[in-house]
Amino acid sequence: IAGITQAPTSQILAAGRRMTLRCTQDMRHNAMYWYRQDLGLGLRLIHYSNTAGTTGKGEVPDGYSVSRANTDDFPLTLASAVPSQTSVYFCASSQTSGRTDTQYFGPGTRLTVL
Amino acid sequence: QQQVKQSPQSLIVQKGGISIINCAYENTAFDYFPWYQQFPGKGPALLIAIRPDVSEKKEGRFTISFNKSAKQFSLHFMDSQPGDSATYFCAAIAYNNNDMRFGAGTRLTVKP
Repeated sequence: IAGITQAPTSQILAAGRRMTLRCTQDMRHNAMYWYRQDLGLGLRLIHYSNTAGTTGKGEVPDGYSVSRANTDDFPLTLASAVPSQTSVYFCASSQTSGRTDTQYFGPGTRLTVL
Repeated sequence: QQQVKQSPQSLIVQKGGISIINCAYENTAFDYFPWYQQFPGKGPALLIAIRPDVSEKKEGRFTISFNKSAKQFSLHFMDSQPGDSATYFCAAIAYNNNDMRFGAGTRLTVKP
């Protein structure tokens, strides 16, 4: 069982370009999340999906969009990347969105926007 | 504004020593408090969690202490080992997993 896979592992991107970060889980979890991790700020929630077909905004959603066409995949798109989106991005999933359900994190994508 | 304040930013302890990391929050709606451990190049992984109706929870070498009136909670681990060297994050959740707020993290180094 792989758990959560993310691709790419790292990427350098020119400002203004469009980029999609991929996330796939094989645990049949209903809820999925995207976080960004910045030094001194911890992890901040960008978008979430409680179940396939639904999405919601987290703490820092501006400049990002997500979709959840099926249970396993939860891609994050930067429509027009800006340098402030340089960060490490983590995808996570949990069985449900209940607060006591453990979130399992992927290995992360390191994104640099120049 | 960071809703969960974590200290210290970094911590160095000797092997066998005790490591203590503290967190404080303001939002009284928070009612579940997990701690995550993150090794370099990896995603965070749940270490231990506590509900506010419990003042202390112990799992192996790890103990969470919770002070509801002070809105503070802390992670203690005994007999620190070099393999514990990692970054530790406290977190607080209000209603569901969509609302989890993390502290800024503590980078722990355990010297052999």
